[in-house]
Amino acid sequence: SQQGEEDPQALSIQEGENATMNCSYKTSINNLQWYRQNSGRGLVHLILIRSNEREKHSGRLRVTLDTSKKSSSLLITASRAADTASYFCATGPKTGGFKTIFGAGTRLFVKA
Amino acid sequence: GAGVSQSPRYKVAKRGQDVALRCDPISGHVSLFWYQQALGQGPEFLTYFQNEAQLDKSGLPSDRFFAERPEGSVSTLKIQRTQQEDSAVYLCASSLSVRQETQYFGPGTRLLVL
Repeated sequence: SQQGEEDPQALSIQEGENATMNCSYKTSINNLQWYRQNSGRGLVHLILIRSNEREKHSGRLRVTLDTSKKSSSLLITASRAADTASYFCATGPKTGGFKTIFGAGTRLFVKA
Repeated sequence: GAGVSQSPRYKVAKRGQDVALRCDPISGHVSLFWYQQALGQGPEFLTYFQNEAQLDKSGLPSDRFFAERPEGSVSTLKIQRTQQEDSAVYLCASSLSVRQETQYFGPGTRLLVL
């Protein structure tokens, strides 16, 4: 069973629009990471936000973290067709074990 | 430098066969993770190595699954007596430090059990 829940499950937007994906988790965490996966390929790390951070930017990516609500969001601004992929959040426990938990992912389709 | 590599990329096995999946992590990376990814789902954690020590195997679904990393670099995931429900993509990831930092993923091995 997977801890992370992501919504929406699928998102279809036009090129140039912004895409927002949300992730919720259940336990205390050290950090939260977002990954991208193109069809049939391995995951690529996008951004890591630590539990004591509230917001982080990287290029067109903006991630927020609300530890009181146990949730995070990933915003992709000015989307491009090449952003079409599945996006996953991943968390590791603050204490005990090394189990990284991935959500089921949001499938983003950006139409040119 | 080279990324994480996995072999084979595709494996077809008959039910009951044993399979061995190989992962070559990035050189010098201490941590190594194995995941199982079913179609349309996120990766599910299987096991974690810190150098040669297997510190977490809580995600291995049954005693048919076995992983090793004897010299702290290359790792092998072995599945004995494969079942159809074992069909999935098996992903390997490595990270530089001890825990919970950026993971670098290999392309995965797609296993199909007939």
